[in-house]
Amino acid sequence: DQQVKQNSPSLSVQEGRISILNCDYTNSMFDYFLWYKKYPAEGPTFLISISSIKDKNEDGRFTVFLNKSAKHLSLHIVPSQPGDSAVYFCAASADTGNQFYFGTGTSLTVIP
Amino acid sequence: KAGVTQTPRYLIKTRGQQVTLSCSPISGHRSVSWYQQTPGQGLQFLFEYFSETQRNKGNFPGRFSGRQFSNSRSEMNVSTLELGDSALYLCASSLFGSGNTIYFGEGSWLTVV
Repeated sequence: DQQVKQNSPSLSVQEGRISILNCDYTNSMFDYFLWYKKYPAEGPTFLISISSIKDKNEDGRFTVFLNKSAKHLSLHIVPSQPGDSAVYFCAASADTGNQFYFGTGTSLTVIP
Repeated sequence: KAGVTQTPRYLIKTRGQQVTLSCSPISGHRSVSWYQQTPGQGLQFLFEYFSETQRNKGNFPGRFSGRQFSNSRSEMNVSTLELGDSALYLCASSLFGSGNTIYFGEGSWLTVV
């Protein structure tokens, strides 16, 4: 049972525009969320986090929004750059240690 | 500060053999968790260790096991390898016990033939 879903396997965006990656979850106990970027043959690189006490967190070009009632989070990248082209994963955990549930990823292509 | 280090990076094993993978966490991190990544299943949680104790275990058969040492380094072992065990095995470390960001290593690519 997939508790974290990324329904868009791929996304293409023009350089300089906004990229919006979406993630839905089913478990209302999830209270901590992470986004990672992954290049082929490398481990995931941490981008940004958000806890359930917040609805927004910003770090440079990256902003994560959390809508707890909809069980939905999104990652905004503004402006998008060609180097952002990678697979993006969202992950969620409940307050039960560091067990995270991952989405299946969205492959972002930023077109120069 | 060094990141999470995993060894070996690549290995090929034969069905029925066993394999041990090693992970050195970021200095000061006490939690180590392991994930399996396959094309069809994405990243799946295997288990997590904190202060040498397994705290959580994912839905994997008993052939998958792990341990953590007093210096927080961790190993995972897969016995009686099957073709379906071919995957990228990722180790992640975290400073504290929960509600924390986990940082991944580069992974160990296992191919079972």
